[in-house]
Formats: sequence, structure tokens, C-alpha cells
Amino acid sequence: DQQVKQNSPSLSVQEGRISILNCDYTNSMFDYFLWYKKYPAEGPTFLISISSIKDKNEDGRFTVFLNKSAKHLSLHIVPSQPGDSAVYFCAASFDSGGSNYKLTFGKGTLLTVNP
Amino acid sequence: EPEVTQTPSHQVTQMGQEVILRCVPISNHLYFYWYRQILGQKVEFLVSFYNNEISEKSEIFDDQFSVERPDGSNFTLKIRSTKLEDSAMYFCASREQVPVHGYTFGSGTRLTVV
Repeated sequence: DQQVKQNSPSLSVQEGRISILNCDYTNSMFDYFLWYKKYPAEGPTFLISISSIKDKNEDGRFTVFLNKSAKHLSLHIVPSQPGDSAVYFCAASFDSGGSNYKLTFGKGTLLTVNP
Repeated sequence: EPEVTQTPSHQVTQMGQEVILRCVPISNHLYFYWYRQILGQKVEFLVSFYNNEISEKSEIFDDQFSVERPDGSNFTLKIRSTKLEDSAMYFCASREQVPVHGYTFGSGTRLTVV
């Protein structure tokens, strides 16, 4: 059951350059998308989200783009910093009843930012 | 910044034993969740809890699992008779009424069943 797919298990970029992490989904019910960052031995940390009524959301160095027709979203980090090195998870949700909004995660992409 | 606190950080248990994983969600949050991540796999939804009852559960969350919010602050996950395949990181999460700010996850409990 791969409703949310992150096809790149890893990505390596140079410090200062742009990191682009991609995510695809199959379930048309999803209307809310989130990106989480995870360090080893820690829980996922919320980064940024986007509702399906938008196609872009920015927060500082992080921008998420949503292409509903392609069922694709991406996270752009500009400029990338060594401290950004972590596993990035794409997650999607919808209101399955009672404002539940359970999350369906992708497998994650390990981002390594080289100094 | 408010945190979701999970204890213990690591639990080793014998197969067939009961375990209770504990969580203290953020105090003004209304929705509570348990997720797990088996090593090398994706984070999976287990159960959601709202207004003192389960609002949704996954196929993983069978009769061996239960959740409780016994005192208005703690939120526990109990596994009655652990199996080897229950070995995983278990994450508790909570969120506000409006999901726009995302969930806050705890640091997780690593459960090892031997």
C-alpha cells in the first residue's frame, strides 16, 4: 500500500545549493500535505504543510509546491545548510471523519548537505 | 517550546509479555495518536484518539493493542502479549484542533521484543 511515494531514498547536495525533495501520491482524497524532518533517535519534526487549495507555501528557506493534477509535491530548501542533513518524510492526510487527519507517510529521503 | 514526552526511551521485553508505552501530549492539544516505524520501513499509523475514545485504528491495531488516557494528561499504548514483529519505534503525537500546524511527535520508544 504505497499511497505516498518518495522514490529517491537519498539525495546529496552542496552547501548553499538548492535541495529538491519529491513526493508522489495516489489517493485523490488527500487534501493536506506535510513535510517532516527526522534525525536519528528523535521523532519527526514538522517543517511545513500545504493545503490542496494552494499550490505553494513558503516558510523561510523552505518552500513546498503542490501539483494536484500530477499528484506531486516537492520541498525546496534554499540555501541548503549542513544542519539540514536528515531524513525528510512526506506525509498526506484528509479528514476521514471527526477531523481525524491521520497521516500516511512516504518512506523518506535521506538528505546529506556537504560543506 | 511545548513537547510531547515519551517514556521509556527504550524497552526490552520477552515475547508474550505485556508492555505499556507512556506519553504526555501537549496540554492544550485535543487529538492524540500512536504511530510506529519498524526498522527500515515507513512510519505507520496505529490509532487516533479524541474526546476519550478511539476515533480510528489501523489493521495493525488488533485486539492485542489498547490505548488509554487515564488521568487527562498521560496517553498510553498497551500491548498485551508482545510478538517479535512488534519490535519497532513507537511514536506518540498530538495536535491542536486545526491541523495546519501539523502534529507534534515525541522522541519515540524503541521496543525490542526478544
